[in-house]
Amino acid sequence: GAGVSQSPSNKVTEKGKDVELRCDPISGHTALYWYRQSLGQGLEFLIYFQGNSAPDKSGLPSDRFSAERTGGSVSTLTIQRTQQEDSAVYLCASSPTGGANHYTFGSGTRLTVV
Amino acid sequence: GQQLNQSPQSMFIQEGEDVSMNCTSSSIFNTWLWYKQDPGEGPVLLIALYKAGELTSNGRLTAQFGITRKDSFLNISASIPSDVGIYFCAGRRETSGSRLTFGEGTQLTVNP
Repeated sequence: GAGVSQSPSNKVTEKGKDVELRCDPISGHTALYWYRQSLGQGLEFLIYFQGNSAPDKSGLPSDRFSAERTGGSVSTLTIQRTQQEDSAVYLCASSPTGGANHYTFGSGTRLTVV
Repeated sequence: GQQLNQSPQSMFIQEGEDVSMNCTSSSIFNTWLWYKQDPGEGPVLLIALYKAGELTSNGRLTAQFGITRKDSFLNISASIPSDVGIYFCAGRRETSGSRLTFGEGTQLTVNP
């Protein structure tokens, strides 16, 4: 597609359930990023994929969070045993290479844990 | 944790007024970026700065990369209602690869 596509756009889940958030980057973009935006806050880095290199997972807040990128394209962010503090907007971005000036963000998935 | 201090947190202005917002850090950044986020959307890049002292304009927007490499400002001249939104600064440090650090945002409201 023309832009970064994220699904679902909204997700309400019960505390303790697992959730999967999906990101389709711009075709041909080798770099993919996940950020989290809590209410009234800036964006918090979670994880970064670049080509076939090992991902930079240094921003994942706990071992309940994981992400994978299949075939160098679609990425899935999984949160296990969700907690209320996981409620946030999860934003995915992609760029042609690792250059930060070319980030294109998706519209995000708003996750609400009840 | 958050390493960029962005101010002000919010601004309420009249249409036609000029606006200024800034970001400061205790760390040195080699790239400064300014984004705008509309409700329900992801941030959109407005201006990118790559050199200390660089002053760049994009229409009514002007941004500067501070000479100490620890700060940046964004000015919006002659504001219009569609300028409403949240403005974020973001920086990239030499040691952080492609990871960006974001400020907490400035919520701008423009009264017609």
